[in-house]
Amino acid sequence: GAVVSQHPSWVICKSGTSVKIECRSLDFQATTMFWYRQFPKQSLMLMATSNEGSKATYEQGVEKDKFLINHASLTLSTLTVTSAHPEDSSFYICSASRWNQPQHFGDGTRLSIL
Amino acid sequence: AQKVTQAQTEISVVEKEDVTLDCVYETRDTTYYLFWYKQPPSGELVFLIRRNSFDEQNEISGRYSWNFQKSTSSFNFTITASQVVDSAVYFCALSEAVNNAGKSTFGDGTTLTVKP
Repeated sequence: GAVVSQHPSWVICKSGTSVKIECRSLDFQATTMFWYRQFPKQSLMLMATSNEGSKATYEQGVEKDKFLINHASLTLSTLTVTSAHPEDSSFYICSASRWNQPQHFGDGTRLSIL
Repeated sequence: AQKVTQAQTEISVVEKEDVTLDCVYETRDTTYYLFWYKQPPSGELVFLIRRNSFDEQNEISGRYSWNFQKSTSSFNFTITASQVVDSAVYFCALSEAVNNAGKSTFGDGTTLTVKP
C-alpha cells in the first residue's frame, strides 16, 4: 500500500526556535498534502491543505506566518513552525493523496517546546 | 458542512467482551467516504476500513465488523472477543468523494480500554 514518511518523529527544542517537519510520499505522487494538529486527548484538526506548486490553504484560526507550508514537489511537503513557543507543542500529522483518492497518513511528529 | 459525532468518549470492557463503537455523520454530499482509524499510544494512525457511500454492505474482517446504515447516517464498528491489544483511541472520519476526497473530517474519538 501507499507509504507516507514523516520526519522527524520526535523533536524537542527551545522556545523561539523554528522547527521543520517533512512529509514524503514514498511510492506515489501526491497532488495534495494535508497537515493536521492533535492536542492530547483531542481529535485531529486540519491546519492546512497544500497542492503541489501552489500556496497552501489554511483553515480558519491557523496563522499562516506561524506555520509555513511548502509543497515544492509531488513527493515532499514541509511544515515549518516559526518562533515556536510552548503552546505550539503538539502532535503534528501529515497525509498525502493523489487526485481524489483518500489520504494516507504519516506516523506523526511529536513536538515539544521548552 | 460535514460533521462526525462519536458520542462515546471512553469505553472500558473486560477481555473477550464484544464492544461497539458508534459513529454518526452529517453531510450534504451524495457521494462520500467513511473511515475508521485506530490510534495506539504510540500515536500513528492505523487505517482500518474505508467505505464508499454507495456500498451499504456490512463488512467483517476477523474480529472486526462494520455496520453502515445510510438511513440513519451511522457507521458503527464492532470488535468481537476484545483483546488487550485493542486498547486505543478509535476515530471515525468522513470525506467528500468528488472534489476533496483527501480531506477528512474526524470525530472526537473513542478511547477503548480492554482490561485483562
